[in-house]
Amino acid sequence: DARVTQTPRHKVTEMGQEVTMRCQPILGHNTVFWYRQTMMQGLELLAYFRNRAPLDDSGMPKDRFSAEMPDATLATLKIQPSEPRDSAVYFCASGTTNTGELFFGEGSRLTVL
Amino acid sequence: AQSVTQPDIHITVSEGASLELRCNYSYGATPYLFWYVQSPGQGLQLLLKYFSGDTLVQGIKGFEAEFKRSQSSFNLRKPSVHWSDAAEYFCAVSPGGYNKLIFGAGTRLAVHP
Repeated sequence: DARVTQTPRHKVTEMGQEVTMRCQPILGHNTVFWYRQTMMQGLELLAYFRNRAPLDDSGMPKDRFSAEMPDATLATLKIQPSEPRDSAVYFCASGTTNTGELFFGEGSRLTVL
Repeated sequence: AQSVTQPDIHITVSEGASLELRCNYSYGATPYLFWYVQSPGQGLQLLLKYFSGDTLVQGIKGFEAEFKRSQSSFNLRKPSVHWSDAAEYFCAVSPGGYNKLIFGAGTRLAVHP
């Protein structure tokens, strides 16, 4: 059963620490998305890739967030330094452009103290 | 700019009652439309999607949705709700395809026995 895998599922860290979240998209999918979910803002698109190339990261705070796809099986979202306002659930999703739908991972819940 | 409006933040229904969740979108052309469901602590699961053709689409778990171009709406329906349907439901639009999804704020459904 193909699924998007995210690690870690839960992360508690202190303000100022670096946080890296990882995502393994479904094999064969050519688009990868990072979303952030909070009670106040709902689901926000942070960044997305097509064929490993970054297409849009306008939703990300550039000074502290970075997203990369070092290869087709791994996408990373890094926060450095982390702040309490970054506390949220971060979702990775993958899909193929010819179907238009996205498959979501179970999310990484980040708490920054 | 494209946007999605879900007017109802919370809805409570009795088990066995019918359900309709509202969704309106703002987009110049006909977008790709989706409904996703999120159970607590889980990722988002696709219920159904509309790309073109028949305006009444069937999805999983007995859900259906109807696209009405004149009203820019894509409302989700279920004739008889089960207690396991309690979750949060998100309507999403993908302008022009390419998987990029813009989500509504979500509607949280509670089901009374």
